[in-house]
Amino acid sequence: GQQLNQSPQSMFIQEGEDVSMNCTSSSIFNTWLWYKQEPGEGPVLLIALYKAGELTSNGRLTAQFGITRKDSFLNISASIPSDVGIYFCAGFLYNQGGKLIFGQGTELSVKP
Amino acid sequence: DVKVTQSSRYLVKRTGEKVFLECVQDMDHENMFWYRQDPGLGLRLIYFSYDVKMKEKGDIPEGYSVSREKKERFSLILESASTNQTSMYLCASSLRADTQYFGPGTRLTVL
Repeated sequence: GQQLNQSPQSMFIQEGEDVSMNCTSSSIFNTWLWYKQEPGEGPVLLIALYKAGELTSNGRLTAQFGITRKDSFLNISASIPSDVGIYFCAGFLYNQGGKLIFGQGTELSVKP
Repeated sequence: DVKVTQSSRYLVKRTGEKVFLECVQDMDHENMFWYRQDPGLGLRLIYFSYDVKMKEKGDIPEGYSVSREKKERFSLILESASTNQTSMYLCASSLRADTQYFGPGTRLTVL
């Protein structure tokens, strides 16, 4: 079945640093999504990408849909303590039962 | 803003009990989903529904059933709860099938 490889698994950074994480797959996807989940809460949708090559920003967050449709990355600029959480990528393919496939998550820790 | 609410944040039940988890969305979304999330296993799809009265099995439907009598409400039912159903349960809804919005989750413990 389809799998998403998300890296890194965890990051420990200093406040103010930029962060980059990515997801890759052997399969192509029609949609890439990025979520953030804080402890004890549900995932919150950060950015949705619908076209290959699309680059979208949401505040300090920027995500891109890879040209090959097999990857996506998320950048966070000038991190702050409230960025702490687990970031998940998810890919969607319409002709494979219409299910979201999730990455394993990147746990982000920000040191003030 | 999309709002997905779940009836309980924390729930403790005994083995063999029938458990109802309720999910309500206020955005007139056609599609609703139930997932469970476990450490090391990620999010796994239990059931989903693309319309009222309609349901489809996800990847791990065993031990669960669902009900969608109204468009805004999607219920997950554990007919006879077991300890291996202790988990975080997440409901999601979407207008398009791909862009899913999640609720806050229900942490279920089965003793």
